[in-house]
Amino acid sequence: GNSVTQMEGPVTLSEEAFLTINCTYTATGYPSLFWYVQYPGEGLQLLLKATKADDKGSNKGFEATYRKETTSFHLEKGSVQVSDSAVYFCALDGGTSYGKLTFGQGTILTVHP
Amino acid sequence: EPEVTQTPSHQVTQMGQEVILRCVPISNHLYFYWYRQILGQKVEFLVSFYNNEISEKSEIFDDQFSVERPDGSNFTLKIRSTKLEDSAMYFCASSGLPLRDTDTQYFGPGTRLTVL
Repeated sequence: GNSVTQMEGPVTLSEEAFLTINCTYTATGYPSLFWYVQYPGEGLQLLLKATKADDKGSNKGFEATYRKETTSFHLEKGSVQVSDSAVYFCALDGGTSYGKLTFGQGTILTVHP
Repeated sequence: EPEVTQTPSHQVTQMGQEVILRCVPISNHLYFYWYRQILGQKVEFLVSFYNNEISEKSEIFDDQFSVERPDGSNFTLKIRSTKLEDSAMYFCASSGLPLRDTDTQYFGPGTRLTVL
């Protein structure tokens, strides 16, 4: 079945540090890939997405590239801010099933001033 | 900006009791979803709903669970007889189009259900 694996957390960084959160997936068909973010006390918000191989999703300085050959969708940001502190979830759609997101376990990011 | 809302934010219930979790999806959306996250575990898909019927459900969504769109604005998840293992954060989501059309699922803030 479909699955998503994220790097173990939590991740703690200083402001302006480089961020990478690894995400790999297993899926049938041709899934779309997503990163969601959850700020404290809020719901899941879509951060970025990519719908086919080699697509790059980007938003708010975050980027991720859909790599079919390595089945990966790693999240990166060149310079994190304290306000980026949140939980980050990698997810994919069903590939052959519509509207059914499969999530990774989430990575807690804490950014210190 | 339109948003998905959920009530209550926290629900405490006794084992064996029925609970109804409520969601108000974004008004022009057509597809509705429930997910749950047990503490420390992954967010898991429960069910999707379109045109007043279930489109897909997971193996978690057994006969104890039901969903309903009782009017034009609410979308509810009912657990008929709660178990301790139903304790989790429940997220509602909605989208205008199915994911295959590259639309986005918008999530509510969640309802934390505690079963004692």
